[in-house]
Amino acid sequence: DAGVIQSPRHEVTEMGQEVTLRCKPISGHNSLFWYRQTMMRGLELLIYFNNNVPIDDSGMPEDRFSAKMPNASFSTLKIQPSEPRDSAVYFCASSLRSASPGYTFGSGTRLTVV
Amino acid sequence: AQSVTQLGSHVSVSEGALVLLRCNYSSSVPPYLFWYVQYPNQGLQLLLKYTTGATLVKGINGFEAEFKKSETSFHLTKPSAHMSDAAEYFCAVSDKGGGADGLTFGKGTHLIIQP
Repeated sequence: DAGVIQSPRHEVTEMGQEVTLRCKPISGHNSLFWYRQTMMRGLELLIYFNNNVPIDDSGMPEDRFSAKMPNASFSTLKIQPSEPRDSAVYFCASSLRSASPGYTFGSGTRLTVV
Repeated sequence: AQSVTQLGSHVSVSEGALVLLRCNYSSSVPPYLFWYVQYPNQGLQLLLKYTTGATLVKGINGFEAEFKKSETSFHLTKPSAHMSDAAEYFCAVSDKGGGADGLTFGKGTHLIIQP
């Protein structure tokens, strides 16, 4: 099992550019979560999906953020346009809905917007 | 709404000493509680979890935690610290159960091990 795979590991972009973060959940998992980690705010849940359907996106900070899950093995988090305050580590996690609580995190994408 | 408070953003202990990381939660329903560990430049790894049943939960790497409902606490302990335990530790709560809902995390405690 390769675990939750995120790409890229690091992303540096200029303010105003579009950024797309990618996540491949563990095969067979049917829930997927996007978190953002900053020093100031800690870990924040942005959005999560069950069976590819967005369930709660109340954590998405602004309309500049959007997330999709076109199939069970792929999800994207897009920021357009990006701003310096979006700089953070973005984590994807997945779980099996019917299983015992708790999920598996990816290694994260460190985003720097200059 | 649920919340988690971790007392102490930094905790320093000597190698071989007891590790105690504190976590208090608030939840309107019986909670599911978790401890995660994060090593530098890595994602979070589940240490242990409490769902139902026995209130003393054992996890990986010799860690354990006890759910105390009366104190709304879920403190993490390890009898003897090892240098490899140096990391960031996060307590988290879910009041919806299952693997399908988001967790609320505390701000984290950075554990420092002194040689």
